[in-house]
Amino acid sequence: EVLLLESGGGLVQPGGSLRLSCAASGFTFSSYVMNWLRQAPGKGLEWVSTISGSGGTTHYVDSVKGRFTVSRDNSKNTLYLQMNSLRAEDTALYYCAERGTNWGPFNMWGQGTMVTVSS
Amino acid sequence: EILLTQSPATLSLSPGERATLSCRASQSVSSTLVWYQQKPGQAPRLLIYDASNRATGIPARFSGSGSGTDYTLTISSLEPDDFAVYYCQQRSNWPITFGQGTRLEIK
Repeated sequence: EVLLLESGGGLVQPGGSLRLSCAASGFTFSSYVMNWLRQAPGKGLEWVSTISGSGGTTHYVDSVKGRFTVSRDNSKNTLYLQMNSLRAEDTALYYCAERGTNWGPFNMWGQGTMVTVSS
Repeated sequence: EILLTQSPATLSLSPGERATLSCRASQSVSSTLVWYQQKPGQAPRLLIYDASNRATGIPARFSGSGSGTDYTLTISSLEPDDFAVYYCQQRSNWPITFGQGTRLEIK
């Protein structure tokens, strides 16, 4: 069974940093394309970032480029999102999700971790 | 960026009725269109991928169709558990984008 468990969310001041983690189990993590998505309170879904199985290819939505960095540790079956220079508009529930080995749809999602950017 | 427009924003129907949800793309997404269901307090669940393929475990009352820029999610006979928000998503071009959602509510 695929399980994804996010952690690391919390309250941070504008301009601050957070690192989110997503612990994965139940599949061959190193082969899977992994992703971060977010959902602001009461709003729709937004894709944030994607990383290939090897970690050699990454993609970001324009609004986070230069501020967020996605990475993974395949020896620990863990996905990360380093978030710097946080803004109020980054406030959201952050989900990790897997896209299998073929860059397909977001098959399975974690339950999310909440990030609140506020002074 | 490919813009996805879902309609209607809200759909009010009764159990047993047929639901038809629309997703229109600003340019062709080459049948990479995906549908998700989200219930309050839960993560989204994959329903349909590549426009018309049901994901594992999804009941046959859910079906997807369409091509090019116009796609439809149909729920043939609504059950109480189907009332939720539905999102479409494209993976044809970066950035990956979602529609704004259709809320399916009980009439």
